[in-house]
Amino acid sequence: GESVGLHLPTLSVQEGDNSIINCAYSNSASDYFIWYKQESGKGPQFIIDIRSNMDKRQGQRVTVLLNKTVKHLSLQIAATQPGDSAVYFCAENVRSGNTGKLIFGQGTTLQVKP
Amino acid sequence: DTGVSQDPRHKITKRGQNVTFRCDPISEHNRLYWYRQTLGQGPEFLTYFQNEAQLEKSRLLSDRFSAERPKGSFSTLEIQRTEQGDSAMYLCASRLGVAGGPETQYFGPGTRLLVL
Repeated sequence: GESVGLHLPTLSVQEGDNSIINCAYSNSASDYFIWYKQESGKGPQFIIDIRSNMDKRQGQRVTVLLNKTVKHLSLQIAATQPGDSAVYFCAENVRSGNTGKLIFGQGTTLQVKP
Repeated sequence: DTGVSQDPRHKITKRGQNVTFRCDPISEHNRLYWYRQTLGQGPEFLTYFQNEAQLEKSRLLSDRFSAERPKGSFSTLEIQRTEQGDSAMYLCASRLGVAGGPETQYFGPGTRLLVL
């Protein structure tokens, strides 16, 4: 399953399929990007991050792709599992004043069907 | 468990009351952040500390809000004269702030505030 466009609030996939969650970021000066997973009633949980000098980074079952030309970020989850069901947020760090504060997107809800 | 703890986890208060939340970051992390998250939205930055110094405050942080990090370890966020619009999840995050080091912010479980 794949979310299309700038933002799709909900993505529904079949267990075992690959998921792709997309995110458009706003500031061309952002130099660090991060994906978080948030389950209901819990704080955001770090998944994977990437600096702007890279275009791809892989983790365990997850891959983040960065396209700076079109200011687009994606999270790919391989072999999606029921435990992956959550809201996924992308966030950017705008290199301004070096505070490291994160600007979050709206989030995409991933629903995994057994 | 990320190592960032927050207390309390839930708080119900009446409009006009004062509330205080506490955050204990990961011990070696010198940077601490507060965010606010309303239902269906992503977290929004409120304020940032490097050690004990509060270096940035968002325009979201009205004069009813105050945050401290007195010894550069735990932090408190106080809301005075609470309003119903303050109802939200208040999240704390911490990270190690060294040149060239990791930039990952680790979040606590949050404090969910409901103002009646």
